[in-house]
Amino acid sequence: KAGVTQTPRYLIKTRGQQVTLSCSPISGHRSVSWYQQTPGQGLQFLFEYFSETQRNKGNFPGRFSGRQFSNSRSEMNVSTLELGDSALYLCASSLAGGGFQPQHFGDGTRLSIL
Amino acid sequence: SQQGEEDPQALSIQEGENATMNCSYKTSINNLQWYRQNSGRGLVHLILIRSNEREKHSGRLRVTLDTSKKSSSLLITASRAADTASYFCATDGSEKLVFGKGTKLTVNP
Repeated sequence: KAGVTQTPRYLIKTRGQQVTLSCSPISGHRSVSWYQQTPGQGLQFLFEYFSETQRNKGNFPGRFSGRQFSNSRSEMNVSTLELGDSALYLCASSLAGGGFQPQHFGDGTRLSIL
Repeated sequence: SQQGEEDPQALSIQEGENATMNCSYKTSINNLQWYRQNSGRGLVHLILIRSNEREKHSGRLRVTLDTSKKSSSLLITASRAADTASYFCATDGSEKLVFGKGTKLTVNP
């Protein structure tokens, strides 16, 4: 089975721009969660999608949004980028999500804001 | 805010030695999971232990859970240079995984 695929792997943007990151989960997995990882804050939960519906959301501003398609692929969007948005963005998939099962992570998208 | 807190923050040992990492958490849980992250890569799931379990083994890994003390430990026996990575515990708080800040393990050859 192919693992979780995240694209692109690296991205450089400037303040004020917007960005869209993509995540393809393991085949058959219906839950996709997104995390932001920074040296200072560690791994922070952004949101979880299950069957095209946002099921849970972390404490991030509305500039961070996401969606999930019928094939379970997910995208997250960050608008009006700030320097503090520089981070490794990880997505993870699982069969049912909700923190009750192991999650399978992609290798992330490294976002740098200049 | 982090639910789990790993201790120590960093650990350096020689190949062949055992490595022990601890995790403390604040609220009641259904399960606790341990993950490994190699530099620049995603997290890899190691072990899931349910709240009604006290100990679990997987190869060279041994995980214990003490719900009365709200703590867990991960033991890696006979460590190898390839075990060099950051290790995270994660608890299921509010129907999502909440991660600690991790222990950075360095195994010197």
